[in-house]
Amino acid sequence: DVKVTQSSRYLVKRTGEKVFLECVQDMDHENMFWYRQDPGLGLRLIYFSYDVKMKEKGDIPEGYSVSREKKERFSLILESASTNQTSMYLCASTLSGELSGNTIYFGEGSWLTVV
Amino acid sequence: AQKITQTQPGMFVQEKEAVTLDCTYDTSDQSYGLFWYKQPSSGEMIFLIYQGSYDEQNATEGRYSLNFQKARKSANLVISASQLGDSAMYFCAMTLMNTGFQKLVFGTGTRLLVSP
Repeated sequence: DVKVTQSSRYLVKRTGEKVFLECVQDMDHENMFWYRQDPGLGLRLIYFSYDVKMKEKGDIPEGYSVSREKKERFSLILESASTNQTSMYLCASTLSGELSGNTIYFGEGSWLTVV
Repeated sequence: AQKITQTQPGMFVQEKEAVTLDCTYDTSDQSYGLFWYKQPSSGEMIFLIYQGSYDEQNATEGRYSLNFQKARKSANLVISASQLGDSAMYFCAMTLMNTGFQKLVFGTGTRLLVSP
């Protein structure tokens, strides 16, 4: 069974802390994504990666960075967490090529609270 | 730039009735794909249905159908015979087929509540 695993489902961090959100997929997918989900705003793309060590900014990259040292793992980093980064974070992965049908796999989400 | 609009923040429907969730999209590209996802309170994203821009028939998957009106740029989700388990957030999303790196753009979502 294919799987995208987000290591932490619920985190509480203090303002200014460095936060790592980890995502691992076991499907040998080239593409991985980090989204942020907020009420009334839907899902917004933070960063995506199409290969190891490759990354592209999404729509809201400010305050975030990413790391992809291995194909299966895509990490989202909050260098200095702020309260406005309290949100739910979703990781996703796909094979290269067209997106169609049920080809995008999502993790279960990480709820981050910054106090 | 591509954009998805879902104008219904919340919808209510009685069990066994049909419900339509609205989605309009904006793109100048001719080749694109449209998706609907369901997100229960647990947070997982569940794929429901997909429509390609060149598909002539409206997509159907069990109780879900996509009412695709290309000229109006709308891709409404129709759920027939609602069930209590259909209560969830529903997201419409789009991807462009001719971009180098595929990514989804999501709408703001519609929360559906099914009552007994």
